[in-house]
This record gives sequence, C-alpha cells and structure tokens, in this order.
Amino acid sequence: KAGVTQTPRYLIKTRGQQVTLSCSPISGHRSVSWYQQTPGQGLQFLFEYFSETQRNKGNFPGRFSGRQFSNSRSEMNVSTLELGDSALYLCASSGAGTTTGNTIYFGEGSWLTVV
Amino acid sequence: SQQGEEDPQALSIQEGENATMNCSYKTSINNLQWYRQNSGRGLVHLILIRSNEREKHSGRLRVTLDTSKKSSSLLITASRAADTASYFCATVTSGGSYIPTFGRGTSLIVHP
Repeated sequence: KAGVTQTPRYLIKTRGQQVTLSCSPISGHRSVSWYQQTPGQGLQFLFEYFSETQRNKGNFPGRFSGRQFSNSRSEMNVSTLELGDSALYLCASSGAGTTTGNTIYFGEGSWLTVV
Repeated sequence: SQQGEEDPQALSIQEGENATMNCSYKTSINNLQWYRQNSGRGLVHLILIRSNEREKHSGRLRVTLDTSKKSSSLLITASRAADTASYFCATVTSGGSYIPTFGRGTSLIVHP
C-alpha cells in the first residue's frame, strides 16, 4: 500500500510569509505526527493529531499550527516565517496511536528554506 | 529536548566490517526504536525493542537493550556501502506520552 505522502517536497519562502505543508497518511492510519529536523536541534516533535483532534503538542511557538481532516490527511501551517524555520518537516503516521508499541512510518519530508 | 543520545556522532568503516552504534537515555522507557535516514530523506523504522526484551535481530541488524544501564546498541554486521546513512534511536517513556523522542543520530559512512 502507498506510504506517507508529503507535499510539496521543496519550497522557498520569504521571511514574514506563511506556509502550509500537507501530509497524506498510510491508508487506515488515524494518527499523524509532525517533526521538525534541523542540523542544530535534530528531530523535534511538533504535534500529533488523531481523529481530527490534537492529542500531543511539542514546545513550539503558536506560529506553528496544524489540523487533521476527516480522511486523516493533515496540514501544518507556519505563520510569520523566520530564518530559523528553515528545516526538513517530517510527517509520520501510525495505526492507532494509542499503543506505545506502534511503529510510525515517515514520509520523505518537505524541505523548507526561508530567505 | 533529546531523551536518547547516540554515540559515536560519526562512524567511518570499510565494507564488510561491523558497525556498532550506541544509544543512552535518561528515564525509564516502554520501548526503544532504531531508525535509518538516508541523506535528505524520511526515516525508515528498523527495529523496536520493548523494555522487557534484551536482544532482537532483523537480518544483519542486532539490537540489545540494557535497562539497568539505560543504554541500547545497534550492530550492523557485514556492512555494505548501501548502509551509509544516519541512524537514530527513539525512546518511548514509561507512563508518559507514547510519542517517541529522537536522539541526534549517528552518521555512518561505509566505504566500498
């Protein structure tokens, strides 16, 4: 079955703009998580959605937001972009999300460059 | 913040050699997972080991877990150039969120 799909793969934005990234989870998966990956901070957890509700949130400012639709697809939005937001944004999905032993599956990521 | 810390940060070996990466963590875990990431790509899940397990195998991969020392190791035997990637450990803590927390990774280069 198809894996986790993220769009767009690459994008360049200007400081102050906003950006929306999209993620389609594996069919049947209801949990979607987002991570930010930078050379300096490594992989940082942003938030997790399950059945259209945000269930977990990392330590990111309110400029970072997300949502999940009834078909489990998810979007994340970053407003008022800063240079430091340049990163690889990874989406991951898992089956139920409530069991600690669930494997999560990552998409290829969206490379965001802020200039 | 990172829960797991991989060691070494970088490892360079010749094809056919074994590669060992270590992960240390701070708090009690429910499980620990290892992932691989090829340059600029997404992460691929390799192995999950639960806190009551001590060793797991998958093909050329062997993972050990020592909860008394709060550490895990990933061994790749008979490495190949295609194993060149970054390897991350991720921990799921006991009694807390089931969201895995990732370390900074070990960059492995396997020379042909």
